[in-house]
Amino acid sequence: QSALTQPASVSGSPGQSITISCTGTSSDVGGYNYVSWYQQHPGKAPKLLIYDVSDRPSGVSNRFSGSKSGNTASLTISGLQAEDEADYYCSSYSSSSADVFGGGTKLTVL
Amino acid sequence: QVQLQESGPGLVKPSQTLSLTCTVSGGSISSGDYFWSWIRQHPGKGLEWIGYIYYSGSSFYNPSLKSRVTISVDTSTNQFSLKLSSVTAADTAVYYCAGRNSYKPRFDPWGQGTLVTVSS
Repeated sequence: QSALTQPASVSGSPGQSITISCTGTSSDVGGYNYVSWYQQHPGKAPKLLIYDVSDRPSGVSNRFSGSKSGNTASLTISGLQAEDEADYYCSSYSSSSADVFGGGTKLTVL
Repeated sequence: QVQLQESGPGLVKPSQTLSLTCTVSGGSISSGDYFWSWIRQHPGKGLEWIGYIYYSGSSFYNPSLKSRVTISVDTSTNQFSLKLSSVTAADTAVYYCAGRNSYKPRFDPWGQGTLVTVSS
């Protein structure tokens, strides 16, 4: 059970859009529409942003969107705001009846 | 809404067993809506899924930790617990409990997390 692959860091200016990728295999990301994304601010617990690839829980801004193509899922944040600066993690269900996380991506808002 | 709170020792000696409890409030642990989960985060690192348990007692563990992990549930106290045996410094981490939706895999809600340091 290997971690999903995410870029270590991304950055963008306020108002811009950024995309974070999450690459797995056909046994996890590619095999199921069960990718979720989490936002974590320093010292805080992760917060669910996206589930089932592209669904948002109530209360999450529509600036956050998710998608998937093959074995790679993506999180897009549009209209970047200073408060979006945080770490972002993807997660997927896998064929081993387990859940696997990505290594995390640090988003810097310039 | 359902809220979770971790509790347990913040310091554990090497080779001993780490024990944490998660108290569920705002809902019944027996509702069937969640797999009750443990996730950890090493200092400055990413998230690592440890395992989860259903209220019935069915459990699933991360294969890399399976030999040392036991997760149990106590429906009478609305709590579930983690035991990790034979700990080393590599087990120093923030440990989170979380509810994993039993219908669609996603972790929400989360506890605030508790730092456990393994040191003599």
